[in-house]
Amino acid sequence: RKEVEQDPGPFNVPEGATVAFNCTYSNSASQSFFWYRQDCRKEPKLLMSVYSSGNEDGRFTAQLNRASQYISLLIRDSKLSDSATYLCVVTLLGLDTGRRALTFGSGTRLQVQP
Amino acid sequence: DADVTQTPRNRITKTGKRIMLECSQTKGHDRMYWYRQDPGLGLQLIYYSFDVKDINKGEISDGYSVSRQAQAKFSLSLESAIPNQTALYFCATSDTGGQPQHFGDGTRLSIL
Repeated sequence: RKEVEQDPGPFNVPEGATVAFNCTYSNSASQSFFWYRQDCRKEPKLLMSVYSSGNEDGRFTAQLNRASQYISLLIRDSKLSDSATYLCVVTLLGLDTGRRALTFGSGTRLQVQP
Repeated sequence: DADVTQTPRNRITKTGKRIMLECSQTKGHDRMYWYRQDPGLGLQLIYYSFDVKDINKGEISDGYSVSRQAQAKFSLSLESAIPNQTALYFCATSDTGGQPQHFGDGTRLSIL
């Protein structure tokens, strides 16, 4: 089982739609959570961190459910410019080294259509 | 200027050749990382360095080596390239392990 799993999509939605992505993680000791956005053939860029109480940034809302070990990203009022791949990222404290390592999901592709 | 710069941006080479990918950063971060990305597999960590004297293997280090020449420079080498190392390679930096990482533009490597 992958440490971080995402539905690869693609999610094809019309402009203005609301779309939600989920991401599940396997290690309950995971500590920090992020959503990154990656445009085609470009580098990943941080979209937002995910906090235990949930957090919102404009049209984007992120939530964490530690009991069920998943995080979600909700995008309201989708824009054409939201078309990208969204990567779920989880950090885990390494038991052997005591260091944190980031684990990336394989991403969910979103295509917003006019 | 970009905060994290990778060179070259694109490279096509033959099986068996030695290749070096370079990464430099102006962010002043201690931590640097090398990832590869294959279609449908997400990013996989190759090596990471928490400071100049601290190098660690990631999940897919076989066939790769790294050198941390200075705080700002972290290079990735393929001693004898093979076709399944064809991928998009990213360098990233962070100031602490749990903080978000900042990525370079990527190096597209093709091995024939």
